[in-house]
Amino acid sequence: ELKVEQNPLFLSMQEGKNYTIYCNYSTTSDRLYWYRQDPGKSLESLFVLLSNGAVKQEGRLMASLDTKARLSTLHITAAVHDLSATYFCAVDPQGAQKLVFGQGTRLTINP
Amino acid sequence: DGGITQSPKYLFRKEGQNVTLSCEQNLNHDAMYWYRQDPGQGLRLIYYSQIVNDFQKGDIAEGYSVSREKKESFPLTVTSAQKNPTAFYLCASLAGDIGNSPLHFGNGTRLTVT
Repeated sequence: ELKVEQNPLFLSMQEGKNYTIYCNYSTTSDRLYWYRQDPGKSLESLFVLLSNGAVKQEGRLMASLDTKARLSTLHITAAVHDLSATYFCAVDPQGAQKLVFGQGTRLTINP
Repeated sequence: DGGITQSPKYLFRKEGQNVTLSCEQNLNHDAMYWYRQDPGQGLRLIYYSQIVNDFQKGDIAEGYSVSREKKESFPLTVTSAQKNPTAFYLCASLAGDIGNSPLHFGNGTRLTVT
């Protein structure tokens, strides 16, 4: 059974700082997805990573995938308050056409 | 505009009653999914359907049922057999191969059972 674990689960940081969220998964997959969720809202797709070494960047967020280590990272550069949200990673287990989600990382960015 | 519509946004039911959550999409997507989210937790897959008239159980299907009679619609029934039905329910759809595109989510239905 595929397990997806995020670290940390809670993160409070100051504006202007850098930080990284980690996503580990337990079985082979080369398809990993990052989503953002604002309180009480649905999920918004951020990144789709489809191969080993894939790197995607959008604004202050950058995601990468290392399929050999079964690890993805979401790096936040010079954080701003608008990035406060819960971030989820999700993995498609061996082309099963479904996603298994991590527990989510609740990110709070303080002025 | 194309999208996924879940209704209602909030739903309240008494324990022991079955309740059906609606999910409609006009994106012409083949696959549809139901996930459950509990406070402070990730999403767990209940059921999914890749084509009309066919669906598969997810990780927590017990106490739930679905149908897929039309491509656009994938209703979820929460039965009285579901022990802890209070949760946020999210419907999603997918065009083609999940490898090429992310799931698109609806706005969710928050179900409270007392």
